[in-house]
Amino acid sequence: KAGVTQTPRYLIKTRGQQVTLSCSPISGHRSVSWYQQTPGQGLQFLFEYFSETQRNKGNFPGRFSGRQFSNSRSEMNVSTLELGDSALYLCASSLGTGTGGQETQYFGPGTRLLVL
Amino acid sequence: AQSVTQLDSQVPVFEEAPVELRCNYSSSVSVYLFWYVQYPNQGLQLLLKYLSGSTLVKGINGFEAEFNKSQTSFHLRKPSVHISDTAEYFCAVSQAGTALIFGKGTTLSVSS
Repeated sequence: KAGVTQTPRYLIKTRGQQVTLSCSPISGHRSVSWYQQTPGQGLQFLFEYFSETQRNKGNFPGRFSGRQFSNSRSEMNVSTLELGDSALYLCASSLGTGTGGQETQYFGPGTRLLVL
Repeated sequence: AQSVTQLDSQVPVFEEAPVELRCNYSSSVSVYLFWYVQYPNQGLQLLLKYLSGSTLVKGINGFEAEFNKSQTSFHLRKPSVHISDTAEYFCAVSQAGTALIFGKGTTLSVSS
């Protein structure tokens, strides 16, 4: 079974631009979560989508948004990029049974975003 | 709010030596606990998890962890490490219906 895939793997943008990252979950997984990883703040939860609905949200500004499609693929968008948005963005998928929390999340390799 | 503290940011160890990576969490209710490993330029991979039941949890690659409710700890151990275990290790906690909260990570460096 194919793992979680993320595209693109690397991205360079300039301040003020916007960016869209894509995540394809493992086949049959209905929940997709996004995380931001930086050296200073570590791994921080952005949001989780289940059946096209946002189920959980982290403490990030409204510039960060996401969505999930009917095939469970997910995208996240960051508008008006700032230098501090430079990070590795990780997507994780899980089956989505129950209310979450206890499920194993399977991570993709991430998209490394550099904002200049 | 939940939080996770990984007490050591870096742990250097020689090959074939035992290792313990320490993790403490703060929560007054039932939690789920996880250890993930991240190799360079890769995503995270689950090593093991504690949901309920036996407090000693065995995972992949010879790792194990013990859940200690009274000390709110979930330390990761391996009796004999290999060079290939060099990676960053993350402890994480969650509750029903909540997202994973990660610790800052511990870099394990195994040398010969």
